Amino acid sequence: GAVVSQHPSWVICKSGTSVKIECRSLDFQATTMFWYRQFPKQSLMLMATSNEGSKATYEQGVEKDKFLINHASLTLSTLTVTSAHPEDSSFYICSARDLLAGPPYEQYFGPGTRLTVT
Amino acid sequence: DAKTTQPTSMDCAEGRAANLPCNHSTISGNEYVYWYRQIHSQGPQYIIHGLKNNETNEMASLIITEDRKSSTLILPHATLRDTAVYYCIVRVGGNFNKFYFGSGTKLNVKP
Repeated sequence: GAVVSQHPSWVICKSGTSVKIECRSLDFQATTMFWYRQFPKQSLMLMATSNEGSKATYEQGVEKDKFLINHASLTLSTLTVTSAHPEDSSFYICSARDLLAGPPYEQYFGPGTRLTVT
Repeated sequence: DAKTTQPTSMDCAEGRAANLPCNHSTISGNEYVYWYRQIHSQGPQYIIHGLKNNETNEMASLIITEDRKSSTLILPHATLRDTAVYYCIVRVGGNFNKFYFGSGTKLNVKP
């Protein structure tokens, strides 16, 4: 089945620094990848949609200059949290859609990255 | 924004069927219903999807009402490992096919 990986699985960084999270589709090509954020005991919140070779589109209220997304290839999207602050501490999850799959456009999710900003 | 409503939590005895309801009264004719589950601190796992007809796979069955305004996910023989948050999602149409997650149902399977 389709597999999506994320790296790292967890990261601790100091306030003011930047951290990059990678999302890879391992056995399929993904023209579209999605980034979600999940705070403790809450649901997943869609942050942005990442399309290969074009600029990401961000959901309302998500700062595009703080959460930089790059989708340079059909198998890799990265999320960079810039100038991280403790309130950015969260569980970040990516998902990908198979290029060749038609409806129902199922999304395959990665295992998530736990970010802690100290 | 999420287009679905689900009960906050449900309990189920191990070995019994778990029936998880979902309301999606504003669903459009070409929108699919998806079910995913999330076990603590993991990424969501796909369970099943449907459009109009009832569906069954190795994990679960999906019953969609004739008017498509609600659906029920059925885990036929729940085990302790099925304890998770279950999300019912109606995909937003358009080019990007986004998912907006609602609050989900926490299923507690008890021995």
